[in-house]
Amino acid sequence: GQSLEQPSEVTAVEGAIVQINCTYQTSGFYGLSWYQQHDGGAPTFLSYNALDGLEETGRFSSFLSRSDSYGYLLLQELQMKDSASYFCAVRDSLSGSARQLTFGSGTQLTVLP
Amino acid sequence: DARVTQTPRHKVTEMGQEVTMRCQPILGHNTVFWYRQTMMQGLELLAYFRNRAPLDDSGMPKDRFSAEMPDATLATLKIQPSEPRDSAVYFCASGSTGANYGYTFGSGTRLTVV
Repeated sequence: GQSLEQPSEVTAVEGAIVQINCTYQTSGFYGLSWYQQHDGGAPTFLSYNALDGLEETGRFSSFLSRSDSYGYLLLQELQMKDSASYFCAVRDSLSGSARQLTFGSGTQLTVLP
Repeated sequence: DARVTQTPRHKVTEMGQEVTMRCQPILGHNTVFWYRQTMMQGLELLAYFRNRAPLDDSGMPKDRFSAEMPDATLATLKIQPSEPRDSAVYFCASGSTGANYGYTFGSGTRLTVV
């Protein structure tokens, strides 16, 4: 079956760097995505990694190692507005044809002043 | 900015009643998902359409839930009859098969079944 593991909570201070890890077990892996969700809001797409390595988008970077079934989201220069839940999601296929998006349980990031 | 539009935003209904949630995907997007979010279960995939064809609805209780895309501008999720355990936020998301596979979520329908 499919499973994704990520920490339930992370706390850091403004200006710091934080890394949120995600390990996954799935079949037919096609890529790893990261989404941000503020309380009461909708998930918002942050990044997608299909190949090994680091993808950088402003203050956020995402890394993937397919051989280790592992990825992480790196947030730099933390701001108060970064306090939110962060979800990793695998794009995979159970049937071999339909590529679906399965989400982890989310990591609640709290940024302290 | 293009957005996914979901209606209604909030719905309170009595157990046993039919509930219909609607979603207007972003024009040109050929992939539509329905997710349910609860504190206990997180984001659960209910149904998945590509080019209006249902590809996967294995996460959806078939006896009471149904999902359709009558046309490219409308996706619907129906619950009949509704039960208190269906109380959750239901999200629709759309996207295109392309380079980054970033899907855009609607604001969600917060359903409360009493």
